[in-house]
Amino acid sequence: EAEVAQSPRYKITEKSQAVAFWCDPISGHATLYWYRQILGQGPELLVQFQDESVVDDSQLPKDRFSAERLKGVDSTLKIQPAELGDSAMYLCASSLNEATPVYGYTFGSGTRLTVV
Amino acid sequence: KQEVTQIPAALSVPEGENLVLNCSFTDSAIYNLQWFRQDPGKGLTSLLLIQSSQREQTSGRLNASLDKSSGRSTLYIAASQPGDSATYLCAVHTSGTYKYIFGTGTRLKVLA
Repeated sequence: EAEVAQSPRYKITEKSQAVAFWCDPISGHATLYWYRQILGQGPELLVQFQDESVVDDSQLPKDRFSAERLKGVDSTLKIQPAELGDSAMYLCASSLNEATPVYGYTFGSGTRLTVV
Repeated sequence: KQEVTQIPAALSVPEGENLVLNCSFTDSAIYNLQWFRQDPGKGLTSLLLIQSSQREQTSGRLNASLDKSSGRSTLYIAASQPGDSATYLCAVHTSGTYKYIFGTGTRLKVLA
């Protein structure tokens, strides 16, 4: 069964350091999403790509977060500098097409970030 | 703005019980609704997806219903097992928004 790959699974970093997460969506999925899930809460969308273009990054803290999907396939989410409040699970998801999510989303296993 | 609420926040039941998890949403103009399961420290696993034109979907011991007009969905779990212990999240895809909005989840514990 096709999967969304994410790495690393766990990351511990010190405050003010840089950190990066990687996501490889299901082959052929044009739309890629990065969600952040704080412990005890539901996931919230950070950024959405359609192919290599950003569709929605309205909730992305752009002073410290950046995201790219250069060739419209895999994607990287970066935080610099990391803050204590960034500790969360970072989830990547993909779907065939943003406008017709007939098959819903498929999520990866997530990256658990702890900032100390 | 779509808001999704899940009640109860936590639930503890003895093994073998049938149970219902609730999800409510404020904007009934939805494209579809997806139920997910999340084990502690893990990603989300899709359980059931209901299109706006459907009333229910079934998979094994799971049955999800959708009442768009009242803004409600329920996830029914039959004959619960300890392995069903997890957090259950519902996510609503509102027409024209191109993204899912999640509830905060129901944390289920099934006691052996």
